[in-house]
Amino acid sequence: AQTVTQSQPEMSVQEAETVTLSCTYDTSESDYYLFWYKQPPSRQMILVIRQEAYKQQNATENRFSVNFQKAAKSFSLKISDSQLGDAAMYFCAYRSRAGGTSYGKLTFGQGTILTVHP
Amino acid sequence: GAVVSQHPSWVICKSGTSVKIECRSLDFQATTMFWYRQFPKQSLMLMATSNEGSKATYEQGVEKDKFLINHASLTLSTLTVTSAHPEDSSFYICSAGWGTGGYQPQHFGDGTRLSIL
Repeated sequence: AQTVTQSQPEMSVQEAETVTLSCTYDTSESDYYLFWYKQPPSRQMILVIRQEAYKQQNATENRFSVNFQKAAKSFSLKISDSQLGDAAMYFCAYRSRAGGTSYGKLTFGQGTILTVHP
Repeated sequence: GAVVSQHPSWVICKSGTSVKIECRSLDFQATTMFWYRQFPKQSLMLMATSNEGSKATYEQGVEKDKFLINHASLTLSTLTVTSAHPEDSSFYICSAGWGTGGYQPQHFGDGTRLSIL
Protein backbone atom coordinates (compact mmCIF):
# COMPACT_ATOMS: atom_id res chain seq x y z
CA ALA A 1 0.00 0.00 0.00
CA GLN A 2 1.09 3.52 -0.70
CA THR A 3 1.63 6.10 2.01
CA VAL A 4 2.03 9.87 1.82
CA THR A 5 3.69 11.90 4.55
CA GLN A 6 3.59 15.62 5.10
CA SER A 7 5.87 16.44 8.02
CA GLN A 8 4.89 20.09 8.39
CA PRO A 9 1.54 20.47 10.19
CA GLU A 10 1.70 24.24 9.86
CA MET A 11 3.68 26.73 7.84
CA SER A 12 3.55 30.48 7.57
CA VAL A 13 4.81 32.97 5.01
CA GLN A 14 4.79 36.69 4.48
CA GLU A 15 2.79 38.03 1.59
CA ALA A 16 4.91 38.20 -1.61
CA GLU A 17 7.49 35.78 -0.19
CA THR A 18 8.16 32.18 -1.20
CA VAL A 19 7.29 29.09 0.79
CA THR A 20 7.96 25.40 0.21
CA LEU A 21 5.74 22.61 1.48
CA SER A 22 7.25 19.16 1.86
CA CYS A 23 5.86 15.76 0.93
CA THR A 24 7.33 12.30 0.82
CA TYR A 25 5.68 9.11 -0.28
CA ASP A 26 6.27 5.43 -0.35
CA THR A 27 5.31 3.11 -3.18
CA SER A 28 6.56 0.06 -5.00
CA GLU A 29 5.03 1.23 -8.25
CA SER A 30 7.03 2.95 -10.96
CA ASP A 31 4.20 4.71 -12.70
CA TYR A 32 1.85 7.01 -10.82
CA TYR A 33 0.57 10.54 -10.41
CA LEU A 34 1.26 13.00 -7.64
CA PHE A 35 -0.91 15.97 -6.80
CA TRP A 36 -1.14 18.98 -4.57
CA TYR A 37 -4.63 19.99 -3.51
CA LYS A 38 -5.67 23.14 -1.73
CA GLN A 39 -8.54 23.22 0.73
CA PRO A 40 -9.54 26.74 1.78
CA PRO A 41 -11.90 27.41 4.71
CA SER A 42 -14.83 26.68 2.38
CA ARG A 43 -13.47 23.10 2.41
CA GLN A 44 -13.73 22.78 -1.35
CA MET A 45 -10.94 20.63 -2.76
CA ILE A 46 -9.01 22.51 -5.45
CA LEU A 47 -6.39 20.88 -7.62
CA VAL A 48 -3.24 23.00 -7.59
CA ILE A 49 -0.80 20.97 -9.65
CA ARG A 50 -0.24 17.49 -11.05
CA GLN A 51 2.94 15.55 -11.81
CA GLU A 52 3.25 12.33 -13.80
CA ALA A 53 5.98 10.10 -12.43
CA TYR A 54 7.33 9.21 -15.87
CA LYS A 55 8.03 12.87 -16.60
CA GLN A 56 11.36 14.15 -15.37
CA GLN A 57 10.42 17.76 -15.87
CA ASN A 58 8.91 19.41 -12.83
CA ALA A 59 5.37 20.67 -13.25
CA THR A 60 4.61 24.37 -12.96
CA GLU A 61 1.36 26.30 -12.81
CA ASN A 62 1.86 30.03 -12.64
CA ARG A 63 3.18 30.75 -9.11
CA PHE A 64 3.12 27.09 -8.13
CA SER A 65 5.90 24.67 -8.96
CA VAL A 66 7.05 21.31 -7.69
CA ASN A 67 10.39 19.69 -7.02
CA PHE A 68 9.86 16.05 -7.93
CA GLN A 69 12.65 13.71 -6.85
CA LYS A 70 11.54 10.24 -7.89
CA ALA A 71 14.46 8.31 -6.46
CA ALA A 72 14.08 10.05 -3.12
CA LYS A 73 10.28 9.78 -3.34
CA SER A 74 9.95 13.44 -2.57
CA PHE A 75 7.44 15.90 -3.99
CA SER A 76 7.59 19.42 -2.60
CA LEU A 77 5.43 22.38 -3.57
CA LYS A 78 6.88 25.86 -3.96
CA ILE A 79 4.57 28.84 -3.84
CA SER A 80 6.14 32.02 -5.13
CA ASP A 81 4.89 35.56 -4.53
CA SER A 82 2.50 34.30 -1.87
CA GLN A 83 -0.91 35.92 -1.74
CA LEU A 84 -3.48 36.14 1.03
CA GLY A 85 -5.73 33.87 -1.01
CA ASP A 86 -3.15 31.12 -0.81
CA ALA A 87 -3.98 30.61 2.85
CA ALA A 88 -5.47 27.12 3.11
CA MET A 89 -4.76 23.56 4.03
CA TYR A 90 -2.61 21.86 1.42
CA PHE A 91 -2.68 18.14 0.76
CA CYS A 92 -0.18 16.06 -1.14
CA ALA A 93 -1.81 13.07 -2.82
CA TYR A 94 -0.75 9.92 -4.65
CA ARG A 95 -2.65 8.10 -7.35
CA SER A 96 -1.68 4.90 -9.08
CA ARG A 97 -1.80 4.71 -12.85
CA ALA A 98 -2.97 1.13 -12.64
CA GLY A 99 -6.46 0.56 -13.95
CA GLY A 100 -9.23 -1.47 -12.40
CA THR A 101 -12.09 -0.84 -10.05
CA SER A 102 -10.04 1.48 -7.81
CA TYR A 103 -8.93 3.61 -10.70
CA GLY A 104 -8.65 7.18 -9.56
CA LYS A 105 -8.24 6.40 -5.85
CA LEU A 106 -6.26 9.10 -4.05
CA THR A 107 -4.09 8.60 -0.99
CA PHE A 108 -3.66 11.85 0.91
CA GLY A 109 -0.99 13.12 3.24
CA GLN A 110 -1.85 14.59 6.61
CA GLY A 111 -2.03 18.12 5.30
CA THR A 112 -0.19 21.37 5.96
CA ILE A 113 -2.00 24.48 7.14
CA LEU A 114 -0.52 27.50 5.39
CA THR A 115 -0.95 30.93 6.91
CA VAL A 116 -0.11 34.02 4.86
CA HIS A 117 0.73 37.17 6.80
CA PRO A 118 0.05 40.56 5.23
CA GLY B 1 -15.88 21.88 -16.87
CA ALA B 2 -17.00 18.73 -15.15
CA VAL B 3 -19.01 19.33 -11.99
CA VAL B 4 -19.93 17.13 -9.08
CA SER B 5 -22.88 18.16 -6.98
CA GLN B 6 -23.12 16.97 -3.40
CA HIS B 7 -26.29 17.39 -1.37
CA PRO B 8 -27.07 18.39 1.31
CA SER B 9 -24.21 20.70 2.20
CA TRP B 10 -25.09 20.69 5.89
CA VAL B 11 -27.41 18.50 7.89
CA ILE B 12 -28.23 18.40 11.57
CA CYS B 13 -30.25 15.53 12.94
CA LYS B 14 -31.03 13.65 16.09
CA SER B 15 -29.13 10.61 17.23
CA GLY B 16 -30.62 7.39 15.90
CA THR B 17 -31.86 8.73 12.59
CA SER B 18 -30.50 7.81 9.16
CA VAL B 19 -29.06 10.41 6.84
CA LYS B 20 -28.62 10.13 3.09
CA ILE B 21 -26.00 12.13 1.20
CA GLU B 22 -26.14 12.33 -2.59
CA CYS B 23 -23.26 12.77 -5.00
CA ARG B 24 -24.16 13.55 -8.59
CA SER B 25 -21.96 13.98 -11.63
CA LEU B 26 -23.68 16.69 -13.65
CA ASP B 27 -22.05 16.53 -17.05
CA PHE B 28 -20.19 13.25 -17.25
CA GLN B 29 -20.74 9.59 -16.49
CA ALA B 30 -18.93 8.65 -13.33
CA THR B 31 -17.77 5.07 -13.52
CA THR B 32 -16.17 5.35 -10.10
CA MET B 33 -17.06 7.41 -7.08
CA PHE B 34 -15.14 7.71 -3.85
CA TRP B 35 -16.41 8.66 -0.42
CA TYR B 36 -14.09 10.37 2.06
CA ARG B 37 -14.48 11.42 5.64
CA GLN B 38 -12.63 14.35 7.13
CA PHE B 39 -12.34 15.51 10.73
CA PRO B 40 -11.43 19.16 11.46
CA LYS B 41 -7.87 20.01 10.45
CA GLN B 42 -7.20 16.44 9.44
CA SER B 43 -6.73 14.62 6.20
CA LEU B 44 -9.31 12.99 3.95
CA MET B 45 -9.71 9.35 4.79
CA LEU B 46 -11.11 7.11 2.10
CA MET B 47 -14.16 5.23 3.30
CA ALA B 48 -15.20 3.32 0.21
CA THR B 49 -15.02 3.06 -3.55
CA SER B 50 -18.18 2.57 -5.53
CA ASN B 51 -18.48 1.42 -9.11
CA GLU B 52 -21.73 1.72 -10.99
CA GLY B 53 -23.80 -1.42 -10.79
CA SER B 54 -21.64 -3.27 -8.30
CA LYS B 55 -21.15 -3.44 -4.57
CA ALA B 56 -18.96 -0.83 -2.95
CA THR B 57 -15.48 -1.71 -1.75
CA TYR B 58 -14.98 -0.53 1.81
CA GLU B 59 -11.67 0.39 3.41
CA GLN B 60 -10.52 -1.53 6.41
CA GLY B 61 -12.22 -0.39 9.60
CA VAL B 62 -15.26 1.14 7.89
CA GLU B 63 -18.54 -0.46 8.97
CA LYS B 64 -20.46 -1.57 5.91
CA ASP B 65 -23.74 -1.73 7.77
CA LYS B 66 -23.26 1.76 9.20
CA PHE B 67 -22.27 3.45 5.95
CA LEU B 68 -24.39 2.16 3.10
CA ILE B 69 -23.22 3.13 -0.36
CA ASN B 70 -25.28 2.76 -3.49
CA HIS B 71 -24.10 3.59 -7.01
CA ALA B 72 -27.21 2.78 -8.96
CA SER B 73 -26.47 4.90 -12.01
CA LEU B 74 -23.52 6.49 -13.77
CA THR B 75 -24.47 9.88 -12.40
CA LEU B 76 -25.51 9.17 -8.83
CA SER B 77 -23.97 7.62 -5.76
CA THR B 78 -25.46 7.84 -2.30
CA LEU B 79 -24.00 7.42 1.17
CA THR B 80 -26.48 6.59 3.92
CA VAL B 81 -25.34 6.88 7.50
CA THR B 82 -27.64 4.52 9.35
CA SER B 83 -28.68 5.04 12.97
CA ALA B 84 -26.32 7.98 13.21
CA HIS B 85 -24.69 8.86 16.52
CA PRO B 86 -22.65 11.88 17.62
CA GLU B 87 -19.38 10.11 16.79
CA ASP B 88 -20.52 9.99 13.15
CA SER B 89 -20.47 13.77 13.03
CA SER B 90 -17.90 14.73 10.42
CA PHE B 91 -17.35 16.24 6.99
CA TYR B 92 -18.07 13.83 4.15
CA ILE B 93 -16.75 14.44 0.63
CA CYS B 94 -17.35 12.53 -2.56
CA SER B 95 -15.28 12.51 -5.69
CA ALA B 96 -16.09 11.12 -9.10
CA GLY B 97 -14.16 10.09 -12.15
CA TRP B 98 -14.51 8.12 -15.33
CA GLY B 99 -12.46 5.74 -17.39
CA THR B 100 -10.20 2.91 -16.37
CA GLY B 101 -6.87 4.02 -17.74
CA GLY B 102 -4.84 7.03 -18.74
CA TYR B 103 -5.24 10.27 -16.90
CA GLN B 104 -8.75 11.37 -16.07
CA PRO B 105 -9.20 13.93 -13.33
CA GLN B 106 -11.12 13.33 -10.16
CA HIS B 107 -13.81 15.88 -9.44
CA PHE B 108 -14.81 16.63 -5.88
CA GLY B 109 -18.16 17.58 -4.47
CA ASP B 110 -18.29 20.50 -2.05
CA GLY B 111 -18.82 18.20 0.90
CA THR B 112 -21.50 17.61 3.50
CA ARG B 113 -21.18 18.69 7.08
CA LEU B 114 -23.01 16.18 9.24
CA SER B 115 -23.86 17.07 12.83
CA ILE B 116 -25.58 14.49 15.03
CA LEU B 117 -27.12 15.80 18.23
